Amino acid sequence: DSGVTQTPKHLITATGQRVTLRCSPRSGDLSVYWYQQSLDQGLQFLIQYYNGEERAKGNILERFSAQQFPDLHSELNLSSLELGDSALYFCASSIQGTGELFFGEGSRLTVL
Amino acid sequence: QQQVKQSPQSLIVQKGGISIINCAYENTAFDYFPWYQQFPGKGPALLIAIRPDVSEKKEGRFTISFNKSAKQFSLHIMDSQPGDSATYFCAASRGQAGTALIFGKGTTLSVSS
Repeated sequence: DSGVTQTPKHLITATGQRVTLRCSPRSGDLSVYWYQQSLDQGLQFLIQYYNGEERAKGNILERFSAQQFPDLHSELNLSSLELGDSALYFCASSIQGTGELFFGEGSRLTVL
Repeated sequence: QQQVKQSPQSLIVQKGGISIINCAYENTAFDYFPWYQQFPGKGPALLIAIRPDVSEKKEGRFTISFNKSAKQFSLHIMDSQPGDSATYFCAASRGQAGTALIFGKGTTLSVSS
């Protein structure tokens, strides 16, 4: 158990809809990262937050957004969903200054 | 964003054999090179990591070899076991700055008994 909690574990929705994925980092970790995992693209970095502030952006679509709240949990919002958004979405957290990321078990999104 | 290239995509090894997975990176600013292991239904977990001030790091049956001039690093799994069957990801980052890991596309390892 990494200590990172993600909900929901599975989500099925339709094209055009909007979903929110939630992540609770390990106790004391200030950094939260979101990754998308698909079969052909591997683990793609989406976005990073540190103590409530956006720190870095990767290949995040404009239809996607995220935020980190004062209690350090984070949410990833996916809107106008397309079939190609079907993937596993992972959240990870880390202690600032180290390289190690601790991953949750992911949220599997299926868009029909 | 594909700054870390990993090969092979899949690998089948006999029990007791050596598994070797290779990665190459482009960004010379990277200073942290971990390998992550992922089992089905689970998130990736850190297996072993190296920084560029050493050329090799060993932890049990797992060894990272690092070649800074060639911008390459590899994972060697000695005496491979069926329990090692998983997907392995190499990654890189500027670790001291707490930046995000950039991952390779992964290698699916199957160890046959």
